Amino acid sequence: DGGITQSPKYLFRKEGQNVTLSCEQNLNHDAMYWYRQDPGQGLRLIYYSQIVNDFQKGDIAEGYSVSREKKESFPLTVTSAQKNPTAFYLCAGGSYNEQFFGPGTRLTVL
Amino acid sequence: AQSVSQHNHHVILSEAASLELGCNYSYGGTVNLFWYVQYPGQHLQLLLKYFSGDPLVKGIKGFEAEFIKSKFSFNLRKPSVQWSDTAEYFCAVTPYSGGGADGLTFGKGTHLIIQP
Repeated sequence: DGGITQSPKYLFRKEGQNVTLSCEQNLNHDAMYWYRQDPGQGLRLIYYSQIVNDFQKGDIAEGYSVSREKKESFPLTVTSAQKNPTAFYLCAGGSYNEQFFGPGTRLTVL
Repeated sequence: AQSVSQHNHHVILSEAASLELGCNYSYGGTVNLFWYVQYPGQHLQLLLKYFSGDPLVKGIKGFEAEFIKSKFSFNLRKPSVQWSDTAEYFCAVTPYSGGGADGLTFGKGTHLIIQP
């Protein structure tokens, strides 16, 4: 399956709460990515990290935060500042050559 | 910044029909180009990619794509589709950065339905 695991598959939160989505990889890739997928919108880049302890904002970083303390892990926090957090979130690992995607987490904010 | 446009949001074909999905990108420099596919209930996976060389690239499951630099296009083709090709298809681009690992810019996707 490409070695990217995301948990949980479905996540429900109340409005105003921060929530952290997990992403782990066993591919030994330096780079990891977070995308958001909305119906009819394709995937949009939230954050990415090319090495441990470093990350860059993507196209839609507002209301999100990340950390990269270990090469294997790249958690995404959806904060209460994110105006429309309900979406399907995809994590990937890889390089310029190819990115391998996880199964995704569907977040619903009630 | 770069952008990607996929012209067909929904396509319905019968089995054995030929397929061509359009993809155009906007960027002033050299790019790497990709087609990804998302089958129902499965991970997003790579169909094919183009970095340089022969502009006609072949991918998995009989798919191919042609890079036309003058048209900023990277259309996906398959001569004869099967019911199992029903999926969402995404065109993506990243600027060539000499081996750097920037994120991908995706098109909005094309939902392909193959009728038996």
